[in-house]
Amino acid sequence: QVTLKESGPGILQPSQTLSLTCSFSGFSLSTSGICVSWIRQPSGKGLEWLATICWEDSKGYNPSLKNRLTISKDTSNNQAFLKITSVDTADTAIYYCARTYYYSEWYYFDYWGQGVMVTVSS
Amino acid sequence: DIQMTQSPSVLSASVGDRVTLNCKASQNINKYLNWYQQKLGEAPKLLIYNTNNLQTGIPSRFSGSGSGTDYTLTISSLQPEDVATYFCFQHNSWPTFGAGTKLELK
Repeated sequence: QVTLKESGPGILQPSQTLSLTCSFSGFSLSTSGICVSWIRQPSGKGLEWLATICWEDSKGYNPSLKNRLTISKDTSNNQAFLKITSVDTADTAIYYCARTYYYSEWYYFDYWGQGVMVTVSS
Repeated sequence: DIQMTQSPSVLSASVGDRVTLNCKASQNINKYLNWYQQKLGEAPKLLIYNTNNLQTGIPSRFSGSGSGTDYTLTISSLQPEDVATYFCFQHNSWPTFGAGTKLELK
């Protein structure tokens, strides 16, 4: 049974660094074709892909945010992480992590966490 | 970047209706198109990947088609539990989602 759960600070101030953790079970980030992605959704709005990290440690970032994002993983502890620097109110959103299958022409988010709300406010 | 345009933005239909949701890419995305369903207050769920591959456990009333820049999600007979927002997603280049179609019951 695959499960993922996001955790984060809840609220932080503009210019701070947002640190998010995705703790998962039921799969391994050392398995070929398996990745973890971060996606966010401002309240009442659409979805935005942020970053993906894969089994062989390759990484992809949304070009519009690339300079602010860092994705990493701890394979032995079944966790993935995302840092976003210099946050502002536009970063207020629900942040999801999702197991990602990425192999050859296949790329899809097949299991999602419940999401964690992050509010940026002074 | 590739822009994904979904239409309509809101669709009202009756139980049993055949429903078609559209997604248009700003350039050819080579069938690298997935569909996600998001019910109110829940995380999105994968329905279809690479245009027409039904994810395990998804009812067969859902189907996808398309090529080039134009893609379609079809629900053959709308059920009450299908009320949700549907997002298309391309992975031909760095990934982007459409803005969504909200499906309501008439």
